[in-house]
Amino acid sequence: DAGVTQSPTHLIKTRGQQVTLRCSPKSGHDTVSWYQQALGQGPQFIFQYYEEEERQRGNFPDRFSGHQFPNYSSELNVNALLLGDSALYLCASSRRIGGSNTGELFFGEGSRLTVL
Amino acid sequence: AQSVSQHNHHVILSEAASLELGCNYSYGGTVNLFWYVQYPGQHLQLLLKYFSGDPLVKGIKGFEAEFIKSKFSFNLRKPSVQWSDTAEYFCAVNAPLGAGNNRKLIWGLGTSLAVNP
Repeated sequence: DAGVTQSPTHLIKTRGQQVTLRCSPKSGHDTVSWYQQALGQGPQFIFQYYEEEERQRGNFPDRFSGHQFPNYSSELNVNALLLGDSALYLCASSRRIGGSNTGELFFGEGSRLTVL
Repeated sequence: AQSVSQHNHHVILSEAASLELGCNYSYGGTVNLFWYVQYPGQHLQLLLKYFSGDPLVKGIKGFEAEFIKSKFSFNLRKPSVQWSDTAEYFCAVNAPLGAGNNRKLIWGLGTSLAVNP
């Protein structure tokens, strides 16, 4: 049973560029959440997707956008990259029970983004 | 506003010492409670969870946590820590987000535990 898989694992971009990160959820999971984790910090919630719609959003600018596909996989897009966007981006999948997200998350290994 | 407070930001222990990490939350309704752990260089993973039932829950690697509703607390404990328990520990609370079925996972800032051999 595959867990949460993310790609790419590492990438380097320059300021102003755009990046797309990808996530495949754990088998049987229908909800994908994205987090940003700066070095030495806790995870910061970006947004959550369920049924191909953004359901919740944290305090991140519109430069951060996402998408969920019919197979539940998801993408995180960041436009006009800033140096401060350098971080580990974590994808977490979960399964809603009765339409409600329980909070039990399974995390991927993350995508390490470096912006120069 | 809903919040989660972890009392200790950095904890240093010697092997075989007992551990208790505090976690308090501010929401008064029904919540799901979690401790997540991040070992050095590894991804976040679930340590233990509480949804309902016995307020004393047991997780992986000998960890346990007790939900005390009257104190809005969910403290993490381990009787005897090992060097391999060195990690970041995050408390998280899943609370209702307005009306309907949507719930929001609120994270504490984390506690860095270093266990000296």
